[in-house]
Amino acid sequence: QYVLTQPPSVSAAPGQKVTISCSGSSSNIGNNYVSWYQQLPGTAPKLLIYDNNKRPSGIPDRFSGSKSGTSATLGITGLQTGDEADYYCGTWDSSLSRVFGGGTKLTVL
Amino acid sequence: EVQLLESGGGLLQPGGSLRLSCAASGFTFSDYAMSWVRQAPGKGLEWVSGIVGSGGTTYYADSVKGRFTISRDNSKNTLYLQMNSLRAEDTAVYYCAKDLSYYSNGWYSIYFDLWGRGTLVTVSS
Repeated sequence: QYVLTQPPSVSAAPGQKVTISCSGSSSNIGNNYVSWYQQLPGTAPKLLIYDNNKRPSGIPDRFSGSKSGTSATLGITGLQTGDEADYYCGTWDSSLSRVFGGGTKLTVL
Repeated sequence: EVQLLESGGGLLQPGGSLRLSCAASGFTFSDYAMSWVRQAPGKGLEWVSGIVGSGGTTYYADSVKGRFTISRDNSKNTLYLQMNSLRAEDTAVYYCAKDLSYYSNGWYSIYFDLWGRGTLVTVSS
């Protein structure tokens, strides 16, 4: 259903590191930049990463992004309970314009 | 303060029409493209429509093409979404978002760096 594939959920303990994957194709991730968004419960999405690995002002360096081929990865280190949220990847698709992944729910155990 | 504030959501019957508004402040509105992104209850994000800063070019997802119309009034710093022939599957929170995009070295960069709080549209009989 979603052009970009993300795992439905991931979990890790406080202080640990977690990665969230986003898989696409040559028509989207393979030839374009990727962005990542955090949506805390009951709030609007917030930009975390743009252009694969750049952080907007105010986003801590615990959050990082990378891309290889047709997949991208969001990394979060030093997990905090306040990081519990849904995370979405996004990019341009040559056929569909702007697209998002289905989202990944992060649980900090 | 830099912000976007949506309004106009509500409950309506299938086949009805509704116009959403998004008031922008804190930045030069006419300099930026804008988009509408929606989120159905319990679901992920879906890009709906976009418009360039001048208003001269618009874009739509296939799911809304021919039913929704995006527009903007740069003199009022306001973005609109006219929604016609509404269906139950259009039920969602609608967010407006500041849409940054550029093309470099054969790659597109597309991202949304500012989001409103959203307005709920419910289509039900």
